[in-house]
Amino acid sequence: DIQMTQSPSSLSASVGDRVTITCRASQSISSYLNWYQQKPGKAPKLLIYAASSLQSGVPSRFSGSGSGTDFTLTISSLQPEDFATYYCQQSYSTPGTFGPGTKVDIK
Amino acid sequence: QVQLQESGPGLVKPSQTLSLTCTVSGGSISSGSYYWSWIRQPAGKGLEWIGRIYTSGSTNYNPSLKSRVTISVDTSKNQFSLKLSSVTAADTAVYYCARDSILTGYPDPYYFDYWGQGTLVTVSS
Repeated sequence: DIQMTQSPSSLSASVGDRVTITCRASQSISSYLNWYQQKPGKAPKLLIYAASSLQSGVPSRFSGSGSGTDFTLTISSLQPEDFATYYCQQSYSTPGTFGPGTKVDIK
Repeated sequence: QVQLQESGPGLVKPSQTLSLTCTVSGGSISSGSYYWSWIRQPAGKGLEWIGRIYTSGSTNYNPSLKSRVTISVDTSKNQFSLKLSSVTAADTAVYYCARDSILTGYPDPYYFDYWGQGTLVTVSS
């Protein structure tokens, strides 16, 4: 299985901050990388697919970049509704594996 | 708007079989551009993909669970189902069903774009 790691595991930030989350794959996955946002008690929500494509309806303050083994999710200006846990997921090979998550909370 | 809804028992005894159904509304499960997956999440932990099915009946399973998992589809009811046998406390989790979409130009499922709300299944005697 391809192992996914994320850093940091958690971070505290303020509204308006620029936030960057990193995801690393244990082998090259090209651009087969997706990002999800999960709020407590809710299902994950797709934010970014194919490393950098913004899912329909997702605010443009979210962006993704990277290819190969290293990827980033950036929130350009953190909003109150963005406090959540973020997961990366690779779909390069089966089983598709998720990162352990990055929890973003209020500073 | 596509919606998915999980249903099934919230409590299963150890060694028994967990059975869940996902009902899809707002679109046909028989559309050729989608697979249909099950994903689970133990409390306070990360996400684990269990397996997927295509409307043809073709399946893929996570090797870590393959010996215990069966996923099936009923296109007449626009539903797909999960059976997980010989459950233990380690199978206690929120179980999600999700649509596994194919990206144009790529042959295989790429991302989960619609999810059910999730259903908690507890394994306990």
